[in-house]
Amino acid sequence: EIVMTQSPATLSVSPGERATLSCRASQSVSSNLAWYQQKPGQAPRLLIYDASTRATGVPARFSGSGSGTEFTLTISSLQSEDFAVYYCQQYNNWPPLYTFGQGTKLEIK
Amino acid sequence: QVQLMESGGGVVQPGRSLRLSCAASGFTFSSYGMHWARQAPGKGLEWMAVISNNGNNKYYADSVKGRFTISRDNSKNTLYVQMNSLRPEDTAMYYCAKDWGSGGFYFDYWGQGALVTVSS
Repeated sequence: EIVMTQSPATLSVSPGERATLSCRASQSVSSNLAWYQQKPGQAPRLLIYDASTRATGVPARFSGSGSGTEFTLTISSLQSEDFAVYYCQQYNNWPPLYTFGQGTKLEIK
Repeated sequence: QVQLMESGGGVVQPGRSLRLSCAASGFTFSSYGMHWARQAPGKGLEWMAVISNNGNNKYYADSVKGRFTISRDNSKNTLYVQMNSLRPEDTAMYYCAKDWGSGGFYFDYWGQGALVTVSS
């Protein structure tokens, strides 16, 4: 099983500043990585797929990078609505055996 | 627009069974793989199972293999999961999610979830 490790567990950032979230895979997942945003009481929402492609309707301040085992989600200028929990997920296995990271909580500083 | 609506959640005793449904609309259901994922209270996301667009291929996480069965009825645009031998650790919000493709990709849409509580 591929283990996904996110860091930090909690990130405190002020509105308007940049946030950088990390995700590491225990073995290469190529670019088969997605990022999801989850707000309290809501379902997850797809932000980024294929490591760096923004999903439909996702603001340009969200960007993803990386390949292999190291990935980053960057939010360039935090807005109030961006404070949430972010999960990475790999979809590199066949047969499918998806795994999520444990999440990074982005909170207001 | 794509909509996924789970139903069938509730409180169930340990060892009993429950079936969740996910009604889909706004896309050609029979063309896409579908998933079930869950989230225990205050915890992270856990993928449970995927079914291919035609229902011929099904894969499960080890944590539910042998107890849970994913299925679909393309004539009714509905996804199901039959959950048997439920345990307290199965208490979670259960989400259905649409695969970007036939099954094996990322989840581009999620339902709002159905809460299952396993307790005596």
